[in-house]
Amino acid sequence: KQEVTQIPAALSVPEGENLVLNCSFTDSAIYNLQWFRQDPGKGLTSLLLIQSSQREQTSGRLNASLDKSSGRSTLYIAASQPGDSATYLCAVTGNMLTFGGGTRLMVKP
Amino acid sequence: GAVVSQHPSWVICKSGTSVKIECRSLDFQATTMFWYRQFPKQSLMLMATSNEGSKATYEQGVEKDKFLINHASLTLSTLTVTSAHPEDSSFYICSARGGAGIQETQYFGPGTRLLVL
Repeated sequence: KQEVTQIPAALSVPEGENLVLNCSFTDSAIYNLQWFRQDPGKGLTSLLLIQSSQREQTSGRLNASLDKSSGRSTLYIAASQPGDSATYLCAVTGNMLTFGGGTRLMVKP
Repeated sequence: GAVVSQHPSWVICKSGTSVKIECRSLDFQATTMFWYRQFPKQSLMLMATSNEGSKATYEQGVEKDKFLINHASLTLSTLTVTSAHPEDSSFYICSARGGAGIQETQYFGPGTRLLVL
């Protein structure tokens, strides 16, 4: 059974910092990995989707990498802003879509 | 990207009543729809998978007689919480997948917040 772990569970940083969120998964037989953002009380916003054959994807200040062999992905956020404050979820698609527990990010002005 | 809607966005009901939540794929045909539940400060947990025209497959620990799922068309799935109780209060999110392959992208609805008094 696939297990997805996100570290740290919570993170508080001052505005402007570059930061890295980590996601690890136990079964490397995946089709893709996604990073989502969830604001309090809201649904999911898809940020980046990395296919299993890809190593990274970039969108604006976000860069996600995937190392399937080691079962790891990182989400890099450059020059963080208070508006980036949210919960970030990674999810891997294997036999099913499995979510990690999320990282709650607070960017302080 | 593809759009998935949910209705209602929030609902408050009395204990013992039934609540129906709709999930629609607005611009594509969804062969498979998924229902997730999310408790406060926790991640999404898959409840069930439904394919159009067939019975839903429920995850372990999810009562199929309590959470009725109907996927009658390629654009609509409904989740009915029967005889709701306060412990059913949660955030319910659906997703829809257009293709048959597991690797196909799931598109998520905005969620429905249920509060059972």
